[in-house]
Amino acid sequence: QKEVEQNSGPLSVPEGAIASLNCTYSDRGSQSFFWYRQYSGKSPELIMSIYSNGDKEDGRFTAQLNKASQYVSLLIRDSQPSDSATYLCAVNGRPSGGYQKVTFGIGTKLQVIP
Amino acid sequence: GAVVSQHPSWVICKSGTSVKIECRSLDFQATTMFWYRQFPKQSLMLMATSNEGSKATYEQGVEKDKFLINHASLTLSTLTVTSAHPEDSSFYICSASFRPEAFFGQGTRLTVV
Repeated sequence: QKEVEQNSGPLSVPEGAIASLNCTYSDRGSQSFFWYRQYSGKSPELIMSIYSNGDKEDGRFTAQLNKASQYVSLLIRDSQPSDSATYLCAVNGRPSGGYQKVTFGIGTKLQVIP
Repeated sequence: GAVVSQHPSWVICKSGTSVKIECRSLDFQATTMFWYRQFPKQSLMLMATSNEGSKATYEQGVEKDKFLINHASLTLSTLTVTSAHPEDSSFYICSASFRPEAFFGQGTRLTVV
């Protein structure tokens, strides 16, 4: 079982719709959860962090965390063509060897259709 | 967010030569930095974890003698690709942890001809 699982997509949504991206993780002791956006040919950029159960909203983005189900999601409201990118789910697990390693999922490619 | 600077952004080198990539944390001290490689249309693959003042920890399958990592200070880690070959052509990205979050450098696109 992979540590962080995502559907690679592509996920296609029409402009203005809600895009829902999902992620599950295997380490129940994971403490921090992140969503990164990666445009083609660029490095990932952090768009959301979430640390406790529930929802966290930032503009058009809402991250949702359910530790009991080991599930984290990202909702993008009013999707725009500029949101088309690969979205990486990342989990910061328990410290090992003196540091915490951020583990990334494979990423979900989102296509917003004008 | 914290700023991580990576240099160069792109490099073309001849087969058999070595290339050094620098990763700097500009506004924070990074005890640990991470090096990733990403091939086209594939996900990030962790190559190694760079620890300041000690030897890097390499992921399984990554040749430590080929990918030399030096973390000489709390703000600088370098990755040297030795005796580069065309199959080493890839997008190399570093990241550093600031509190629980990881921030990425701009990436280096390496092309070996």
